[in-house]
Amino acid sequence: DIQMTQSPSSLSASVGDRVTITCRASQTINKYLNWYQQKPGRAPKLLIYETSSLQSGVPSRFSGSGSETEFTLTISSLQPEDSATYFCQQSYTVPLFTFGPGTKVAIK
Amino acid sequence: EVQLVESGGGLVQPGMSLRLSCAASEFTFDDYAMHWVRQVPGKGLEWVSGVSWNSGIIGYGDSVKGRFSISRDNRKTSLYLQMNSLRPEDTAWYFCAKSGLPYVSGKTWFDIWGQGTLVTVSS
Repeated sequence: DIQMTQSPSSLSASVGDRVTITCRASQTINKYLNWYQQKPGRAPKLLIYETSSLQSGVPSRFSGSGSETEFTLTISSLQPEDSATYFCQQSYTVPLFTFGPGTKVAIK
Repeated sequence: EVQLVESGGGLVQPGMSLRLSCAASEFTFDDYAMHWVRQVPGKGLEWVSGVSWNSGIIGYGDSVKGRFSISRDNRKTSLYLQMNSLRPEDTAWYFCAKSGLPYVSGKTWFDIWGQGTLVTVSS
């Protein structure tokens, strides 16, 4: 089974900061990596699919990159409403999916 | 508005069964694979199970294999999760989610999520 890890597990940054979250897969997953944002008491929300494609309606300050086993989610200029937990998800294995453990982003 | 609404959660004793439902609206339900994802309060997301658009491909996470059964009724635009032999560690919010691409069972994403239904397994 493919295992997913994320780093850091949590971070605190100031409004306007550039924030980067890393997701690693235990084996190659090609481009099949998605990112979700979840706020307390809410369902997850899709941000990025297939490594770098921005979901409709998601602000352009969010971007994704990477390939094979290492991927990043970048928030170019952190906003107060970005306080949330971010999860990566691999969809390479059919029909199985695996989520990363999450990265909690807090605003200083 | 595209919507998924879960129901059927509640308090159940260990060893008992529960059936969750997910009602879909405002999209062509029978074109898309559907999934169940769960989350222990305060913890991460765990993919539980998925079913292809025509029920031809079904998958389960290791922690529920042999105990849970996923199904769908395309005429009723509904997804189900039959949960048997429930354990305290099955306590979680259960979300249904829609595949982002039609007709595929993998290499996709979850673009629409329900609000979740809470299952509590306790004596």
